[in-house]
Amino acid sequence: EDQVTQSPEALRLQEGESSSLNCSYTVSGLRGLFWYRQDPGKGPEFLFTLYSAGEEKEKERLKATLTKKESFLHITAPKPEDSATYLCAVRISYFNSGGSNYKLTFGKGTLLTVNP
Amino acid sequence: DVKVTQSSRYLVKRTGEKVFLECVQDMDHENMFWYRQDPGLGLRLIYFSYDVKMKEKGDIPEGYSVSREKKERFSLILESASTNQTSMYLCASSPTGPQYFGPGTRLTVT
Repeated sequence: EDQVTQSPEALRLQEGESSSLNCSYTVSGLRGLFWYRQDPGKGPEFLFTLYSAGEEKEKERLKATLTKKESFLHITAPKPEDSATYLCAVRISYFNSGGSNYKLTFGKGTLLTVNP
Repeated sequence: DVKVTQSSRYLVKRTGEKVFLECVQDMDHENMFWYRQDPGLGLRLIYFSYDVKMKEKGDIPEGYSVSREKKERFSLILESASTNQTSMYLCASSPTGPQYFGPGTRLTVT
């Protein structure tokens, strides 16, 4: 069964204290891994796409990396406004009567709190 | 910018009512999705559609149906709402690759 596991479930940091969030997966037919940020009461906001092991993407204080079994979201010198739930999702391809298609399987997320 | 809108941010319905949740995207995306999000359970896929009038069951389709008559609009229908369908409902659209989400509808069934 395809699985996506995020750790830790919750993380508290002091402003400026760098850390990493983990997303490990056991899937067949991986066709991409995505990171999202979700603020309370809102829809997830897309951050990054990673397609192959060794790939890295950066945006401001965030950097996402990918290996064959997991992805990391590194947060450098975080600020209180980085507080949110961070979700990862893996894109899995499959075949049906309509041909080739895909869906996303999400992890349960990491709740990040950055204290001033 | 991709824009996905949902018909209501908050909705309160009674048990047994028929409920319609609507989602509209303005980017001509072929694929559209409906999820529900519950504490401790994460995002779970209810139904999705990869073309007009096409639909596929996700992981938890029971008690729901969908309609996609036009490319930009994807509706989720709760045929007879029950209290265990109280949840945050999220719609997403996608060309290929990442999905773009709407703001969500917080549905309470009493």
